[in-house]
This record gives sequence, structure tokens and C-alpha cells, in this order.
Amino acid sequence: NAGVTQTPKFRILKIGQSMTLQCAQDMNHNYMYWYRQDPGMGLKLIYYSVGAGITDKGEVPNGYNVSRSTTEDFPLRLELAAPSQTSVYFCASSYGSRADTQYFGPGTRLTVL
Amino acid sequence: QQPVQSPQAVILREGEDAVINCSSSKALYSVHWYRQKHGEAPVFLMILLKGGEQMRHEKISASFNEKKQQSSLYLTASQLSYSGTYFCGTENKLVFGAGTILRVKS
Repeated sequence: NAGVTQTPKFRILKIGQSMTLQCAQDMNHNYMYWYRQDPGMGLKLIYYSVGAGITDKGEVPNGYNVSRSTTEDFPLRLELAAPSQTSVYFCASSYGSRADTQYFGPGTRLTVL
Repeated sequence: QQPVQSPQAVILREGEDAVINCSSSKALYSVHWYRQKHGEAPVFLMILLKGGEQMRHEKISASFNEKKQQSSLYLTASQLSYSGTYFCGTENKLVFGAGTILRVKS
């Protein structure tokens, strides 16, 4: 199993550009999550999904959109990138919620200039 | 609401012990502990469930006091490999604390 994979690993965007961060898992997990981690800070939940077709907002959803058309994939869309979105983005998955372990992808380092 | 971790940072020598605390203002069902090394993704250590037993990962153990709504992580006879940032997370969308930086020196 590859676990949780994320692409790209690094990306530089100009202000106002858009992009999609890809996340895929091959563990047949129901739950998937997107976090951002600013330098020296903890993780902030952006969006999460409890299954295909179902998504919900986390702590910091503004400026982002998600979709979940399959169990495996959970892309994160950034529209009109802003410098405040410069961060490391982690995708994670778990079989369920609450008591289940979250498995993290390697992260995408995004810089908006 | 974000759980509060203490201390913010701790420096140890190899073989010394440390305790990291995680407190929440809300009632908890479970507490997750993760360790993150610099430039890497967080890695799961253990989950503590309400009414469950104290858990252990190698020489790292943790307890969960539901009444006090807090969890403590105990690092015994610390090793260089324990260095990193430790995060606690609480259920219901998994809100993480700000982290505790642990550095073990030889």
C-alpha cells in the first residue's frame, strides 16, 4: 500500500492564481482531511469528508474548496491565491473518526508570492 | 476549540524523563497524540479513549483523565530519536493543540 499520497510536493503561485492540491489514499478509508500548518504552528483543519459526496468545513475553510467524488481521492482547490495561504498542506485519512488513527501524507509546501 | 498544551518547549538530556500535558475546555471522548519531526508529516503515537486503559508506545506512555478533561504524555528515559514536536488532538473534527517542542541532547 502507498498509504496517503499528495502531489505536488512543492509549488509557487502568484497572487490571484488558482490550483488544485491532489490527495489520494489506497487504504479504503472513509474519512479524509485537509490541514494546513504555518511555520512553527500546529495543524489547522480546512475541510474534511466522511465519505464520497459528503464534505464539511473545518476551522479555516475560507479561500478553499473540496470535492469527494470517490473514496480514494480528496482534492483541495485554492481559488484566487493570497500570501496568507502560504503554508504546508497535509492530507490525512482514517477509517472512521474520533477513535481512529489518522494517517498523513508527506505534505505540499505552497508559497504564494 | 483548540486544546492547550504545556510546556511549549522542553530540552532534555538522554535518559531524562518529561511530561507533556494537554487540556481541553470541552468534554472529551478521545485524545490522540502525534509526533512530528522537522520537515516531515505527523506520525501517530497513540489514542486514548474515554474509560480506556493507559496506553504505551515503546517507552512513551499516556494517560487520560476524563473528569479533568486532560491527557498527559510521559516520556521515560528519553532517547535522541524522541526529539520533535508533539501534538495532542481531540475528537470531533480533530482539533490539534499548538504543539510541544521536545529536544533531547546527548
